[in-house]
Amino acid sequence: ETGVTQSPTHLIKTRGQQVTLRCSSQSGHNTVSWYQQALGQGPQFIFQYYREEENGRGNFPPRFSGLQFPNYSSELNVNALELDDSALYLCASSPGGQGPSYEQYFGPGTRLTVT
Amino acid sequence: AQSVTQLGSHVSVSEGALVLLRCNYSSSVPPYLFWYVQYPNQGLQLLLKYTTGATLVKGINGFEAEFKKSETSFHLTKPSAHMSDAAEYFCAVSTTNDYKLSFGAGTTVTVRA
Repeated sequence: ETGVTQSPTHLIKTRGQQVTLRCSSQSGHNTVSWYQQALGQGPQFIFQYYREEENGRGNFPPRFSGLQFPNYSSELNVNALELDDSALYLCASSPGGQGPSYEQYFGPGTRLTVT
Repeated sequence: AQSVTQLGSHVSVSEGALVLLRCNYSSSVPPYLFWYVQYPNQGLQLLLKYTTGATLVKGINGFEAEFKKSETSFHLTKPSAHMSDAAEYFCAVSTTNDYKLSFGAGTTVTVRA
C-alpha cells in the first residue's frame, strides 16, 4: 500500500511568482487536506477537498487555491507569492470522507522557499 | 472555534526517564484529540487519538494519553524515554462537525544519554 506522496520535495521561487504543489493520496482515500507549517510553528489548515469539491477552508487568502482530481490526487496553487509563504506544505489524506474520527495520513511535505 | 495550547516549547529528558508533554484544549462541544510526532524533514505521524469511550488512550511506541474533561487536558506520557523519541510533538483538536485539525505550536523533545 502506497502512502501519501508529495512533489516536489523542495522548491525555490521568487516573490510574485506562482507555484503548484502536488499530492497523491493513499489508496482508497477520497479526502485530501492541505496544511501550511511555518518554521517553528504547528500546521495551519488551508483547505480540504472531498470528492473533488472544496469542503472547508481556513483563514487563507484567495490566492491559495486547489483542485482534486477524479483519482483523488490534489494540487495546491499559490499565486503572487509573498516572502511569508515560505513554509512546509503538508498534504493529508483520509478515508471515508469528512469527519474528524477518520485518521489523516500525512505526506512528507514540500518545502517552499520564497526569495 | 476550538484550539489547543501546548505548555513548554522544549522538553529535555534523560534516557529512561518519564516523558510528559502537556496539552490543554478549548472547545465548546465534545472534542476529538490527537497527538502527532514529526521527525526532522518528515511529515506527521499519528501517535494516538481520543474520540469517545475510554479516557486513557494507548498509542504507538509506548505512548499514552489521558483525556480529562474537568481539566480540559490531554497530556502525553511515556514511562521510559528512548533516544529515538527525540522529535517534535503536536497536539491537535477537532470536533464532531469539523473537517480540520487545529494544532498546537509543538513541543520539541530532546533525549540525553
